[in-house]
Amino acid sequence: QKEVEQNSGPLSVPEGAIASLNCTYSDRGSQSFFWYRQYSGKSPELIMFIYSNGDKEDGRFTAQLNKASQYVSLLIRDSQPSDSATYLCAVNGGGSNYKLTFGKGTLLTVNP
Amino acid sequence: DTGVSQDPRHKITKRGQNVTFRCDPISEHNRLYWYRQTLGQGPEFLTYFQNEAQLEKSRLLSDRFSAERPKGSFSTLEIQRTEQGDSAMYLCASSLEGSGDTQYFGPGTRLTVL
Repeated sequence: QKEVEQNSGPLSVPEGAIASLNCTYSDRGSQSFFWYRQYSGKSPELIMFIYSNGDKEDGRFTAQLNKASQYVSLLIRDSQPSDSATYLCAVNGGGSNYKLTFGKGTLLTVNP
Repeated sequence: DTGVSQDPRHKITKRGQNVTFRCDPISEHNRLYWYRQTLGQGPEFLTYFQNEAQLEKSRLLSDRFSAERPKGSFSTLEIQRTEQGDSAMYLCASSLEGSGDTQYFGPGTRLTVL
């Protein structure tokens, strides 16, 4: 069974710090990797996607992918209280397998 | 609003009743997905459509669940003879073929079965 693992947290960081969120996946055939942010009671909101090994930066967010280690991470620089949410890592199966497999999410709390 | 929309946003029903949810994807998106999310868990895949064809169904989708996308636009998810275990957030997402299949989620329908 394909699995996506995340630390459930909570991860607590002070305002202005870097938050580091990690995710591992079991299916070596996975090709696309996504980070979603989910506020309590709301639906997932796409933050970042990454397809290739290495880093991808978008504003305060950096996604990092290492396919050899089956590891993907999300760094949030200059964390703000509004970043407090659950961060979901999602992986699609590759090829014609478009469904996403999600981790359980990491709860991030940014303290003012 | 050009995002994914879902209706209703909340549904409370009694056990044994049938419920139907609707999803309208982003207009140019040809793929549509249904997921279910329970408290403390990530979304779990239920089924997906490419245009009007239902291409995959999860084992989670029992015989009581049926989904349609008759004209390749909006989709409906029906649950017959609801059970308390069906209580969850039902999420719809859409994507455009060839775009890396980046999926965008609607606001969800929260189902409570009493």
